[in-house]
Amino acid sequence: GAVVSQHPSRVICKSGTSVKIECRSLDFQATTMFWYRQFPKQSLMLMATSNEGSKATYEQGVEKDKFLINHASLTLSTLTVTSAHPEDSSFYICSADRLGEPSTDTQYFGPGTRLTVL
Amino acid sequence: GQNIDQPTEMTATEGAIVQINCTYQTSGFNGLFWYQQHAGEAPTFLSYNVLDGLEEKGRFSSFLSRSKGYSYLLLKELQMKDSASYLCAVRGDSWGKLQFGAGTQVVVTP
Repeated sequence: GAVVSQHPSRVICKSGTSVKIECRSLDFQATTMFWYRQFPKQSLMLMATSNEGSKATYEQGVEKDKFLINHASLTLSTLTVTSAHPEDSSFYICSADRLGEPSTDTQYFGPGTRLTVL
Repeated sequence: GQNIDQPTEMTATEGAIVQINCTYQTSGFNGLFWYQQHAGEAPTFLSYNVLDGLEEKGRFSSFLSRSKGYSYLLLKELQMKDSASYLCAVRGDSWGKLQFGAGTQVVVTP
C-alpha cells in the first residue's frame, strides 16, 4: 500500500528555536498534502492544506508566519515551526491524497512527529 | 456550522461486537472515513463510504445514510488489539480536507 513518511519522528528543542518537519510520499505523487496537530486525548485538527507549487491554505486561527509550509515537489512537503514555544508542543501528523485516485479516496497518514519544546 | 459527533468511550468484552455511531452536519459531502488510532501513533485507514449502505471488510463494517447524516463502524469478534481510538472523518468538499470527530475510545476487556 501507499506509504507516507515523516522525519523526524521525535524532536526536543529549546524555546525560540525553529524546527522543520518533513513529509514524504514514498511510492506515489501527491499534489495535496495536509498538516494536522493533535494534542493529548484530542482529535486531529487540520492546520493547513499544502499544495504543490503554490501557497498553502491555512485554517482559521493558524498563524501562517509561525507555521511555514513548503510543498516543493510532488513527494515532499515541509512544515517549519518558527520560534517554537512550549505551547507548540504537540503531535504533528501529515497526510497525502494519492494523485489520480479521487474516487478511491484513501488519505494516507504519516507516522507523526512528536515535538517537545522546553 | 460543521459538526461531527461520536461517543467518547465504549467498553466491550473480547469476542463481542461493538457499534460506534457517528452523526455529522457538514457543508457538502464527499465521503466519510473511519480511522483507527493507537495511542502515540498516526491514524490508520479502516473504511470509506460515499454511497448509502454497508461496506464490509473482514471484522470491520461501515454503514452510511447520507439523508440522515449518519454512519456507524461495526467491530466484530473483538480482540484485545482493537483497543484504540476510532475516528470518524468527513470530506466536506472536493479538496480532500477531512474534518474529524473527537474520536471514540474503545476499551476491550478480557
